[in-house]
Amino acid sequence: DTAVSQTPKYLVTQMGNDKSIKCEQNLGHDTMYWYKQDSKKFLKIMFSYNNKELIINETVPNRFSPKSPDKAHLNLHINSLELGDSAVYFCASSQGSGAYQETQYFGPGTRLLVL
Amino acid sequence: SQKIEQNSEALNIQEGKTATLTCNYTNYSPAYLQWYRQDPGRGPVFLLLIRENEKEKRKERLKVTFDTTLKQSLFHITASQPADSATYLCAPGGGSYIPTFGRGTSLIVHP
Repeated sequence: DTAVSQTPKYLVTQMGNDKSIKCEQNLGHDTMYWYKQDSKKFLKIMFSYNNKELIINETVPNRFSPKSPDKAHLNLHINSLELGDSAVYFCASSQGSGAYQETQYFGPGTRLLVL
Repeated sequence: SQKIEQNSEALNIQEGKTATLTCNYTNYSPAYLQWYRQDPGRGPVFLLLIRENEKEKRKERLKVTFDTTLKQSLFHITASQPADSATYLCAPGGGSYIPTFGRGTSLIVHP
């Protein structure tokens, strides 16, 4: 059983398109995250949700909109994709409130390539 | 602003030797520090957490130290194996810090 799963694993699309990435965790965790890892391998947090409530929003362009329908799911929708959005996007979850850096469990990543 | 430094150059060692990776941080007073392993094409995997009141933590062949005076953590892998080859990320945390990871150090263990 996969603890944190993401779909799709690969996403190749044209500039200007809108795309979504889905994430699900079966660990019963209360907090979920989205990270972006760029070509230099720097892992940077984008958003965090605790029990469906947004608790971290780290200066991400408003073209990125996270949505948490329930605490086991956190999706990421990206409008008007740009070349600079090409990266690997990781979903993660943790057991606590997300008020501090807790031990996180990561998904396998979604490799986004914008052409 | 908070800063985490890990050696960006890959660490190459021979199988059987001890690998030592360094994590330095500034403008932080973390209550604990975590180490993660990331293999190519995969998400990071949690390895160890050490708290500020712990000088050393061990798990099998792994050992982590945490010096809050030097603002430094050392991560050791003893009797290293080629399967230990990966990128290792450190992540200071606690309090209300935004989750932040170092860029990681790549370890390559040669047979």
